Amino acid sequence: QSVLTQPPSVSGAPGQRVTISCTGSSSNIGAGYDVHWYQQLPGTAPKLLIYGNNNRPSGVPDRFSGSKSGTSASLAITGLQAEDEADYYCQSYDSGLSADVVFGGGTKLSVL
Amino acid sequence: QVQLQESGPGLVKPSETLSLTCAVSGGSISPYYWSWIRQPPGKGLEWIGYIYYSGSTNYNPSLKSRVTISLDTSKKQFSLKLSSVTAADTAVYYCARDLGDGYGPYYFDQWGQGTLVTVSS
Repeated sequence: QSVLTQPPSVSGAPGQRVTISCTGSSSNIGAGYDVHWYQQLPGTAPKLLIYGNNNRPSGVPDRFSGSKSGTSASLAITGLQAEDEADYYCQSYDSGLSADVVFGGGTKLSVL
Repeated sequence: QVQLQESGPGLVKPSETLSLTCAVSGGSISPYYWSWIRQPPGKGLEWIGYIYYSGSTNYNPSLKSRVTISLDTSKKQFSLKLSSVTAADTAVYYCARDLGDGYGPYYFDQWGQGTLVTVSS
């Protein structure tokens, strides 16, 4: 069971907007620690998508955005494209009894 | 652009020690954190531990008793040893660079391609 909770799957049609939630607790997201997001295409290593809650690395389209509030964070993808079909993971820091670095369980995005 | 490349045996027998190395090219070892992360087949990501460029380490409590991460700055590589492995340790193992500062890890900006390690007799 992951320290950060994500929905197992989400789906959307091309062109639509989808969001993926990441729920934590008072020892990680709620403590003010930043949330980062990774995209993992099938058979490849994860790739940094969003860092520091809402910052995009160079080369990541502005269709991807992140936000954080309270003990939760969200990744939004607008103008959904077939190439966005992948697994998405959130990650943060935890100051409690679990590992310092914690991931969400991952969300499979299907583009219908 | 920094690149990371994992290497090591793809098959390890139960109760033995898994050993992997990550070679860093195109960039410096300092001043970063260097982590190992694994992903069992069909499952999510699990952080194993990190070593800071200074040599300090931190491990996932769930694996701490079996894990050792070391750093060879002269060779620009860091290594993972996981002892007493079982089938539950079968996973793709990734090495990654973390851009944290001296206060702690932050996020992973560079990843290796990953290497599948199967634990089986």
